[in-house]
Amino acid sequence: AQTVTQSQPEMSVQEAETVTLSCTYDTSESDYYLFWYKQPPSRQMILVIRQEAYKQQNATENRFSVNFQKAAKSFSLKISDSQLGDAAMYFCAYRSGGSNYKLTFGKGTLLTVNP
Amino acid sequence: EAQVTQNPRYLITVTGKKLTVTCSQNMNHEYMSWYRQDPGLGLRQIYYSMNVEVTDKGDVPEGYKVSRKEKRNFPLILESPSPNQTSLYFCASSLSITRLSYEQYFGPGTRLTVT
Repeated sequence: AQTVTQSQPEMSVQEAETVTLSCTYDTSESDYYLFWYKQPPSRQMILVIRQEAYKQQNATENRFSVNFQKAAKSFSLKISDSQLGDAAMYFCAYRSGGSNYKLTFGKGTLLTVNP
Repeated sequence: EAQVTQNPRYLITVTGKKLTVTCSQNMNHEYMSWYRQDPGLGLRQIYYSMNVEVTDKGDVPEGYKVSRKEKRNFPLILESPSPNQTSLYFCASSLSITRLSYEQYFGPGTRLTVT
C-alpha cells in the first residue's frame, strides 16, 4: 500500500518570503500522480498543484512550484512571495495510475504566515 | 457553476439513529468517492464508485453504506452511527476516462457529531 509522509506538522513563514513544505511517498508503481491540496479555515479542499510521475519537468502554478524527485520519492512544495492568504493546512496526496482513483493523503502541514 | 454539493453541512445526532449525507455533482463525472478527515490522520477513503451501480470499499468502510443509482448522486449512509464516526466528511468526484481528467473536485464537507 502506498504511504505519504509529511514530516513537518507545522511551518511558519514571513510574509513575502519563501517556504518549502516537504513530502515523501512510498510506492512500487511507475505510473501515478501527485498533488498538493490547501485547506483554509473554511475546510474547503483546494487543489494547488499537480504532477504526473511520467513528466520530468516540475509543475508550476504562479507562486507555487514543486520539486519532484522521482528516484528519491520526494515531492516538495515551494511557495514564493508568501501572502497572508496562503495560511492553511497543506496536504500532499498520491493517486495511483490504476483503477481506483483513491487519493492517499499525508497528515498535513499547518502553514502560518506572519505579517 | 461546476460543483460538488453536500447536505447537510453540519449534523449533530445520537448513537444509533440512521442518517444519510447526500452528495451531488453537476459535472457528469463517472467517479465519486467519500473521505473522512480526522485530526492527525489526514483524509481516508471510505467508499468509491467508478460509475452507476459500481461501488467498492475504500480503506475505512466499516459502519458505512453507499449507493449509486444515478450518475450525479452518491449518498453516504450510516445505518447505526457511533461516536467514533464523529468526523469531517468529504465527497469528491472526477472524470475517469482520460489520463488528463484526474483532478478530483471536493465538496464543502459535512461536519458530523455523534453523541
